[in-house]
Amino acid sequence: GQQLNQSPQSMFIQEGEDVSMNCTSSSIFNTWLWYKQDPGEGPVLLIALYKAGELTSNGRLTAQFGITRKDSFLNISASIPSDVGIYFCAGTFNQFYFGTGTSLTVIP
Amino acid sequence: EPEVTQTPSHQVTQMGQEVILRCVPISNHLYFYWYRQILGQKVEFLVSFYNNEISEKSEIFDDQFSVERPDGSNFTLKIRSTKLEDSAMYFCASRSGRGYNEQFFGPGTRLTVL
Repeated sequence: GQQLNQSPQSMFIQEGEDVSMNCTSSSIFNTWLWYKQDPGEGPVLLIALYKAGELTSNGRLTAQFGITRKDSFLNISASIPSDVGIYFCAGTFNQFYFGTGTSLTVIP
Repeated sequence: EPEVTQTPSHQVTQMGQEVILRCVPISNHLYFYWYRQILGQKVEFLVSFYNNEISEKSEIFDDQFSVERPDGSNFTLKIRSTKLEDSAMYFCASRSGRGYNEQFFGPGTRLTVL
C-alpha cells in the first residue's frame, strides 16, 4: 500500500517556538489533510489542502500542498502548551492514508 | 456544530465473543468509514461505505468484520469472533462527499479483548 513518511517522529520544544513537520509519499495525492489527536480522542481536522502549491492558514497553523503532490508540511508558530498532541498527515487518492504521526511536547 | 458520535466509549469482551461498535455519522454526510488504531501506532483504514454498500476495504477487514447501516442514522462495525489482536481504538468517520474530501472523526471506541 501507499507509504506516508512523517517527520520528525517527536519534538520537544519551548513554549513560543515555531514548529515544522512534514509528510512525504511515494505516490501522488489529490488531497492532503492535517489532523491533531489528543490522547484517547479521535483525530481533529486542522487543515485541508486541495491544490498543488496551495498554502493555507488556520490561526497559528500554516500548511502547504507540495508542488509534486507527494509532500506537505505543517508549521505551527509561537507554540503554546495546548499544542501538545500527535499530529497526523493524511493523503487521499481514492483511499485515505495516514502518516505515522509527530508527537509534539511543548515545555512551558 | 454537528459531530460524529460513537458508542460505547469502552468495550471489554472475551476472546471469541462478537462485538458491535456503533456510530452516528454527521446527518447529511454520504460516506462513512471505520479505522483502527492500535495503541501507540498510526490510524489504519478498515473500510469505506457509500450508498449502502462497501466501496473499499483494507487487508485488515477480513471475514470476521462486517459493517451495516441498519437505519438512516446508525453505522455499525461488527467483529464476529474477537481475537486478542483486535484490541485497539476504533474510529468512525464521515464525509459529506459534495466535492470535499475532509473526513470528520468520532471520539472512538476503545475495544479490549481479554
